[in-house]
Amino acid sequence: AQTVTQSQPEMSVQEAETVTLSCTYDTSESDYYLFWYKQPPSRQMILVIRQEAYKQQNATENRFSVNFQKAAKSFSLKISDSQLGDAAMYFCAYYGAGAGNMLTFGGGTRLMVKP
Amino acid sequence: KAGVTQTPRYLIKTRGQQVTLSCSPISGHRSVSWYQQTPGQGLQFLFEYFSETQRNKGNFPGRFSGRQFSNSRSEMNVSTLELGDSALYLCASSFLPGQGSFNGGYTFGSGTRLTVV
Repeated sequence: AQTVTQSQPEMSVQEAETVTLSCTYDTSESDYYLFWYKQPPSRQMILVIRQEAYKQQNATENRFSVNFQKAAKSFSLKISDSQLGDAAMYFCAYYGAGAGNMLTFGGGTRLMVKP
Repeated sequence: KAGVTQTPRYLIKTRGQQVTLSCSPISGHRSVSWYQQTPGQGLQFLFEYFSETQRNKGNFPGRFSGRQFSNSRSEMNVSTLELGDSALYLCASSFLPGQGSFNGGYTFGSGTRLTVV
C-alpha cells in the first residue's frame, strides 16, 4: 500500500521569507500523481500544486514550486515570499491506480507565518 | 460556478443515533468521494461514487454507507454512532472517476463537523 509521510508537524516562517515543506512517499508504481493541498481554518481543502510522475520538470504555480525527486520518492513544497494568508495546514497527497484511484494523504504540516 | 456544497456544517449527535450528511458536487462533476479527517488518524478515504454506483470503498465498518442520486448529489450515512466517529467529513468531486488528477484535481467542500456525545 502507498504511504505518504510528512516529517514536519509544524513549521514557522517570517513573512516575505521562503520555506520548504517536506514529503516522502512509498510506492511501487511508476505512473502516479502528487499533490499539495492547503487547509485553512475554513476547513476547505484547496489544491496548491500538482505533479505528474512522468514529467521530469518540477511544477510551479506563482510563489509555489515543488522539488520532485522520483528516485528518492521525495516531493517537497517551496513557498517563496511567504504571506500571512499562507498560514494553514498543508497536506501532501498521492494518487494512483495502485492506490485505488483515491487520494492518500500525509499527516500534514502546520505552517505559521510571522509578521 | 458554485463549489462543492456540504450540509450541514456542524452536527451534534448522541451515541447510538444515526446521521446523514449531504454533498452537492460542482455542476458537471459526476464523481463524489468522501473522506474522514480526525486528529489521530488524519485523512482517510471512505468511498467514491460515480453514476449512482459505489466504485471504491475504504477500510471502514459497514456502519458507514453512502449513495449517489441521478443529479450526482451524494449522501453518506453513519448508523449506530460511536464516540470515535467524531470527525470532519469532507466531500470531494471530480469530473470523472479516477480523473481527478487530469481535470484540475479534486475539488473539496468545507466539510461537516460531526460531534458524537
